[in-house]
Amino acid sequence: DAGVTQSPTHLIKTRGQQVTLRCSPKSGHDTVSWYQQALGQGPQFIFQYYEEEERQRGNFPDRFSGHQFPNYSSELNVNALLLGDSALYLCASSPRDDPTYNEQFFGPGTRLTVL
Amino acid sequence: AQSVTQLGSHVSVSEGALVLLRCNYSSSVPPYLFWYVQYPNQGLQLLLKYTSAATLVKGINGFEAEFKKSETSFHLTKPSAHMSDAAEYFCAVSDANQGGKLIFGQGTELSVKP
Repeated sequence: DAGVTQSPTHLIKTRGQQVTLRCSPKSGHDTVSWYQQALGQGPQFIFQYYEEEERQRGNFPDRFSGHQFPNYSSELNVNALLLGDSALYLCASSPRDDPTYNEQFFGPGTRLTVL
Repeated sequence: AQSVTQLGSHVSVSEGALVLLRCNYSSSVPPYLFWYVQYPNQGLQLLLKYTSAATLVKGINGFEAEFKKSETSFHLTKPSAHMSDAAEYFCAVSDANQGGKLIFGQGTELSVKP
């Protein structure tokens, strides 16, 4: 059983560009959350998708947007990249039978570097 | 608002010694509490979780944590450290009303000396 997968592993962009990160949840999971982990910091919640809709959002600007597809996979889009967007972006999925969606399984992350 | 404070950004122990990583939380509702481990260049792996059942929670790799409501703490312990335990450890809090949104602490880097 494959766990949470993310692509690409690493990405280098320049300021002002746009980036799309991808996530496939663990089998049997239907809820996907995205986190940003800056160097030396704990992960920070960006948003969560369930049934193809954004259910919750953290304190991130509108430059950060997402999408969930019918197969439960998800994308994170960041527009007008800033140097401060450089971070490890983590995707986490939650099992369908967990009513509180509290047990989250994390992917290996995508390391984004903005130059 | 919920928050998590991890005391000590770096902890160093000798192999075979007790591991104690401290976590204090703030929550206006009964919390769910988690410890995650992160090895270099990897994602987060769940060590254990507290979801209002037993206050002493046992996790993987010999780790355990005790929920103490009076102290608002959820410290992580392991009786005997192994070299393979060297990693970054994160404490996180959530609640049923948040629908799975995790609030993480800053992390504690554990070093294990031979």
